[in-house]
Amino acid sequence: AQTVTQSQPEMSVQEAETVTLSCTYDTSESDYYLFWYKQPPSRQMILVIRQEAYKQQNATENRFSVNFQKAAKSFSLKISDSQLGDAAMYFCAYSPGGGGADGLTFGKGTHLIIQP
Amino acid sequence: EAGVAQSPRYKIIEKRQSVAFWCNPISGHATLYWYQQILGQGPKLLIQFQNNGVVDDSQLPKDRFSAERLKGVDSTLKIQPAKLEDSAVYLCASSLVIRGRSPLHFGNGTRLTVT
Repeated sequence: AQTVTQSQPEMSVQEAETVTLSCTYDTSESDYYLFWYKQPPSRQMILVIRQEAYKQQNATENRFSVNFQKAAKSFSLKISDSQLGDAAMYFCAYSPGGGGADGLTFGKGTHLIIQP
Repeated sequence: EAGVAQSPRYKIIEKRQSVAFWCNPISGHATLYWYQQILGQGPKLLIQFQNNGVVDDSQLPKDRFSAERLKGVDSTLKIQPAKLEDSAVYLCASSLVIRGRSPLHFGNGTRLTVT
């Protein structure tokens, strides 16, 4: 079974600075997808960024980028120029590729606090 | 486009009672998921539908939980009888296609409190 581990229960960063959230995962598959989701107090999960395992290039979305290390099974999220609206729970998630079920496996989350 | 709709937003029941949650996915989305999120944890997949067929229900406690997706559109998740440990947020999500190639769209969830 796949597992996703987020070792930082809480992170704090000053507004406009950069913060990195860590995630490691365990799988025996070679084809899979990795995601970072943001969950504000409204409870709605919002996709931040997605990485396909077969792509070596790290995904970027505006101020958000990832450092995908496939051999190390590491998938960290970097948020540049942090804004107050970035404050939320952040979840790392894994989805298998290939055939069959593809429901997400989530980590326990990191609570990100933005200091004004 | 309209998002994933869920109701009710909140529900409080006593243990051993029954409860049902409703989800209306985004129009045209074939895949529908129900997740359980216990406080302080990440969501856990309960069941995945592809149209009106079950793709994965391996983590659904079938002695008390049931789900259906009639006509491949709306879905209902039921708990009967509820236990204290069922207190959680129940999230519904939908996607256009399977296999992670299209993003999941989540609803705002139903917060269930069992007393």
